Amino acid sequence: EIVLTQSPGSLSLSPGERVTLSCRASQSVNNRYLAWYQQKPGQAPRLLIYDASNRVPGFPDRFSGSGSGTDFTLTISRLEPEDFAVYYCQQYGSSPRTFGQGTKVEIK
Amino acid sequence: QVQLVESGGGLVKPGGSLRLSCVASGFTFSDYYMSWIRQAPGKGLEWVSYIKNSGSTIYYGDSVKGRFTISRDNTKNSLFLQMNSLRAEDTAVYFCARGHFGLEVWGQGTTVTVSS
Repeated sequence: EIVLTQSPGSLSLSPGERVTLSCRASQSVNNRYLAWYQQKPGQAPRLLIYDASNRVPGFPDRFSGSGSGTDFTLTISRLEPEDFAVYYCQQYGSSPRTFGQGTKVEIK
Repeated sequence: QVQLVESGGGLVKPGGSLRLSCVASGFTFSDYYMSWIRQAPGKGLEWVSYIKNSGSTIYYGDSVKGRFTISRDNTKNSLFLQMNSLRAEDTAVYFCARGHFGLEVWGQGTTVTVSS
């Protein structure tokens, strides 16, 4: 099983700041098959990024994903108030599919 | 519009059973793999199971293998999760989702509470 470790666990930032979230895999993720999700309280997660760097239509271009192998990153270039949420990474390159434990982005 | 609606959650005693349902609309259900994912209170996401569009391929997470059964009825655009021998640690919101790679459509979830 591929274990995904996200860091940091949480962070407090102000609107307008840049944020970089990390997702590290215990073994290489095949074909860059890694996704990022955004989850707000009381809501289902929403797919944000797939195949490591492809942004889902409907999300603004301030969100970007990068990485390969075992190291992946989600970057939000300028935080907007609606971006404060929990972000999860997930790999689908092998079974079992696994999620990271999440990173909570809070308003400072 | 594309939509998934779960139902069937509730309060059940340890050792009991529940059957969750998920009805799809707005897309050709039989074209897609479908998955169940759960989230324990205040915790992260856990992939429970997925099933191929034809039903011929099924995966279960180790924590539910042998106790849960996923199935689908493409004629009724419906996905199911039969949960037996329930344990306290199965308490969670259960989401159905479209796909088995990136999960691009999610339902709103149904809550399962296992408690005596």
